[in-house]
Amino acid sequence: KQEVTQIPAALSVPEGENLVLNCSFTDSAIYNLQWFRQDPGKGLTSLLLIQSSQREQTSGRLNASLDKSSGRSTLYIAASQPGDSATYLCAVFSGYALNFGKGTSLLVTP
Amino acid sequence: ETGVTQSPTHLIKTRGQQVTLRCSSQSGHNTVSWYQQALGQGPQFIFQYYREEENGRGNFPPRFSGLQFPNYSSELNVNALELDDSALYLCASSKTGGTEAFFGQGTRLTVV
Repeated sequence: KQEVTQIPAALSVPEGENLVLNCSFTDSAIYNLQWFRQDPGKGLTSLLLIQSSQREQTSGRLNASLDKSSGRSTLYIAASQPGDSATYLCAVFSGYALNFGKGTSLLVTP
Repeated sequence: ETGVTQSPTHLIKTRGQQVTLRCSSQSGHNTVSWYQQALGQGPQFIFQYYREEENGRGNFPPRFSGLQFPNYSSELNVNALELDDSALYLCASSKTGGTEAFFGQGTRLTVV
């Protein structure tokens, strides 16, 4: 059974800092990995999708990497802003379902 | 191009009742999945529909059932509601399984 773990569970940083969120998964037989953002009580917003054959994807200030063999992905956020405050969820697709971690709750203070 | 929309946004039901949640998939998407998210947890997969057929199911009892219609919209039905069914229910659509999934804003279900 695929297990997805996200570290840290919560993170508080001052505005302007670069930060890294970590995601690990137990079964390397994945099709893709997707990072999402979730604001309190809201749905999920897709940030980046990395196919299993790719090593990284970039979108604006976000960069996600994937090391399938070691079962790890990182989400790098450059020059953080208060508007980045949200919960970030990592999910791996192994068959027909996304398996999610519990998320990292990020607070960026002005 | 419209995104994934869910209705209603909030719902309060009494234990033992039945509920139907609705989802309109994004234009061009033929696969719809439903997830349950308890407070402070990651979403848990309920089931997936592809071309009106259930295509996979997570660890949820049979009182959770669904439908997909010819226009690829979908319903989630939950019978005999329990207090633990209180959660945010999320619908996701994709072009096929394994491609990028797009989520709706969710339906917050409270069972009292």
